[in-house]
Amino acid sequence: NAGVTQTPKFQVLKTGQSMTLQCAQDMNHNSMYWYRQDPGMGLRLIYYSASEGTTDKGEVPNGYNVSRLNKREFSLRLESAAPSQTSVYFCASIGLSRGTYNEQFFGPGTRLTVL
Amino acid sequence: RKEVEQDPGPFNVPEGATVAFNCTYSNSASQSFFWYRQDCRKEPKLLMSVYSSGNEDGRFTAQLNRASQYISLLIRDSKLSDSATYLCVVGSAASARQLTFGSGTQLTVLP
Repeated sequence: NAGVTQTPKFQVLKTGQSMTLQCAQDMNHNSMYWYRQDPGMGLRLIYYSASEGTTDKGEVPNGYNVSRLNKREFSLRLESAAPSQTSVYFCASIGLSRGTYNEQFFGPGTRLTVL
Repeated sequence: RKEVEQDPGPFNVPEGATVAFNCTYSNSASQSFFWYRQDCRKEPKLLMSVYSSGNEDGRFTAQLNRASQYISLLIRDSKLSDSATYLCVVGSAASARQLTFGSGTQLTVLP
């Protein structure tokens, strides 16, 4: 049981390049999330998917697109990267923990630098 | 005003000390409350949920004051391994599956 996995772990892009961050979970969770984390800002929600086939904007969606490919996979795409998108990106899924409350499980993160 | 506010620290304490972190939230309709721990350059992991009656897990005690919209985390007998950033997390009443994260409080336990 790998939990939440993300690829790549590190990436350097030039301004204007595009890329897709991949995320997968093997816990059969319905809800999946993409966050970015910047110093002093905490985790901010970019997009989320409450279930397969649905996606919704979070707090900071501009410059990003997402695809919920199936129940396991939720990808994040930067169409034209900008230096302001330099950040650490975390994918997460949410499910019952100890049968009583929702716990959010995070992937190891992708460190993205846009030059 | 941020939805979830924490003192960023850093808190530098000696081993064995007791340390307390506070957190305030702005949405009075919030329904779920958590403390997450994040080690340097790692992903956040759930430390404990916070219940209205307060709850304890070993050296960690969490309390919730709904009237004051305030959450606390107390760590007793600090260990070197407790050094991390502690994130206060609040769940929306509209959707229990949307969580708002505080910026975190950094703790360093010194030998």
